Amino acid sequence: AQSVTQPDIHITVSEGASLELRCNYSYGATPYLFWYVQSPGQGLQLLLKYFSGDTLVQGIKGFEAEFKRSQSSFNLRKPSVHWSDAAEYFCAVGANNNDMRFGAGTRLTVKP
Amino acid sequence: DAGITQSPRYKITETGRQVTLMCHQTWSHSYMFWYRQDLGHGLRLIYYSAAADITDKGEVPDGYVVSRSKTENFPLTLESATRSQTSVYFCASSSSGYEQYFGPGTRLTVT
Repeated sequence: AQSVTQPDIHITVSEGASLELRCNYSYGATPYLFWYVQSPGQGLQLLLKYFSGDTLVQGIKGFEAEFKRSQSSFNLRKPSVHWSDAAEYFCAVGANNNDMRFGAGTRLTVKP
Repeated sequence: DAGITQSPRYKITETGRQVTLMCHQTWSHSYMFWYRQDLGHGLRLIYYSAAADITDKGEVPDGYVVSRSKTENFPLTLESATRSQTSVYFCASSSSGYEQYFGPGTRLTVT
């Protein structure tokens, strides 16, 4: 069965610093990969997705992610973090609509 | 444009009571989903629906019932609530693609 691992439960970065959130997946074929963000008290918002093609995908809010098949990873990056980026981030993997698996999430704290 | 809404946003109920959580979407998406979110587990799929009158179990369906008589609505019922069902519940919808759009969630406490 497919699974998703987000190794970092909590990350703290300074405002303006770069960010990388890790995501590793286990799946037999190339899955569809997603990153979602959840602000406190809110639902999840899709940041970006990878289906196929270019392994570097751009998303909203200045985020990007890179699919690395050899490492089974789909890490999320942002070159300069803003205070408003403080939230919980979820990586998800899916082969189809009814079998999406989410990671446990990484909580991002931004220091002023 | 309301998108996807959930009601109630907060609910406290007692063990053994029946509770229904509502989900409504205005996009006419075919697919709808119910997830629960618990600390350390991320989101786990309870039930999903590919179209009206078509539903199927997800990863953690025990203790829950769903129906989908209309495309836009997908209620989730806890027939006899237990403390282990205390959680935040999210509804989501999707067109034929793989991107899911989430509602704001319902925080349910079972005492």
